[in-house]
Amino acid sequence: GDSVTQMEGPVTLSEEAFLTINCTYTATGYPSLFWYVQYPGEGLQLLLKATKADDKGSNKGFEATYRKETTSFHLEKGSVQVSDSAVYFCALNNAGNMLTFGGGTRLMVKP
Amino acid sequence: NAGVTQTPKFRVLKTGQSMTLLCAQDMNHEYMYWYRQDPGMGLRLIHYSVGEGTTAKGEVPDGYNVSRLKKQNFLLGLESAAPSQTSVYFCASSYRGQGIAGELFFGEGSRLTVL
Repeated sequence: GDSVTQMEGPVTLSEEAFLTINCTYTATGYPSLFWYVQYPGEGLQLLLKATKADDKGSNKGFEATYRKETTSFHLEKGSVQVSDSAVYFCALNNAGNMLTFGGGTRLMVKP
Repeated sequence: NAGVTQTPKFRVLKTGQSMTLLCAQDMNHEYMYWYRQDPGMGLRLIHYSVGEGTTAKGEVPDGYNVSRLKKQNFLLGLESAAPSQTSVYFCASSYRGQGIAGELFFGEGSRLTVL
């Protein structure tokens, strides 16, 4: 079945550092890919998405490119802020009614 | 802007007790979902509904029941709670299925502990 693998956290960075959170997936066909973010004490919210190969999703300074050749959707940000501290989830949908989530990666940004 | 509201936020149960989690959304969404979140395992879908009066099983449905009597409400029931059901439960809704354009809107979560 479909699956999503994320790098284990926590990822600890200093403010203004470059961020990469790796995400790879296994799926048949052409899934849509998502990044959700969960801030402390809150539910998840959509950060960005990409629906086909080579698409780049972007929002709030975060970017991720749908790479079908490497089955990856890595999340990047050029300069993180303390307010970016959260748990980030990669997810995919493969033309069904379900989202398949990765295990989540906790990001901690220190001032 | 209420969005998706879950009640209760916290609950402690003894093994064998029953309880119901209520999810309410005010966005007129057709689709609603119940997920559980466990450390290192991400979110797993328990049950979902594609419209009033309909429900379907997700990835981990055993030990749970659901009902969607009104479009805006989705109830998750535990008939006989077990320690393995200790988790954080999230309700979500969407305007359409979790397809290409679908975005999920989540509640703040309900933390359940079963002793």
